[in-house]
Amino acid sequence: AAGVIQSPRHLIKEKRETATLKCYPIPRHDTVYWYQQGPGQDPQFLISFYEKMQSDKGSIPDRFSAQQFSDYHSELNMSSLELGDSALYFCASSLGGTSSYNEQFFGPGTRLTVL
Amino acid sequence: QKEVEQNSGPLSVPEGAIASLNCTYSDRGSQSFFWYRQYSGKSPELIMFIYSNGDKEDGRFTAQLNKASQYVSLLIRDSQPSDSATYLCAVNRDQTDKLIFGTGTRLQVFP
Repeated sequence: AAGVIQSPRHLIKEKRETATLKCYPIPRHDTVYWYQQGPGQDPQFLISFYEKMQSDKGSIPDRFSAQQFSDYHSELNMSSLELGDSALYFCASSLGGTSSYNEQFFGPGTRLTVL
Repeated sequence: QKEVEQNSGPLSVPEGAIASLNCTYSDRGSQSFFWYRQYSGKSPELIMFIYSNGDKEDGRFTAQLNKASQYVSLLIRDSQPSDSATYLCAVNRDQTDKLIFGTGTRLQVFP
């Protein structure tokens, strides 16, 4: 079965640079979520989108922005990168809009390293 | 205090035994509960979800929910070495679609 696709899988950036992470949800899934997982920590919710509209927002820095496109893929844009932004970034997708009962399926993640 | 609490472990069980993983949550408005398995450096993999009080079984896995006690657990029967991973409990509150994770319990199944 098709899964969530994320690109790139690994990314190395310098401080103050920008990065763009991409997420392609499972076919027919209309909702995407972004999570950040630091070393030894649990995933932290950043932001979610349903039908191209932001549906929920978590602890996402102002330096980060995201959007969902008409084909439901999503991009997370990160600017003025800091050392503390080094983490695994996961995208998850679900079907059926925003609901507390949606099952979220995670992609393989993008490992971002900021030097 | 974290909203979702788990014992970090490691929980060590012999192959073939039952592994019992526990999770408590603080928000009584929580609606749905998920168990994810995460191997080191990999993404969380959904194992089970439960919405109603009681037990829910799927193969070797059983999820148990007690909303009055704000407690959810995962039982793994006939544990295998391949079950060795970190198990994340996640909670979804009413009128929100974000998952709130616990810190995870590391399970070790030894032959």
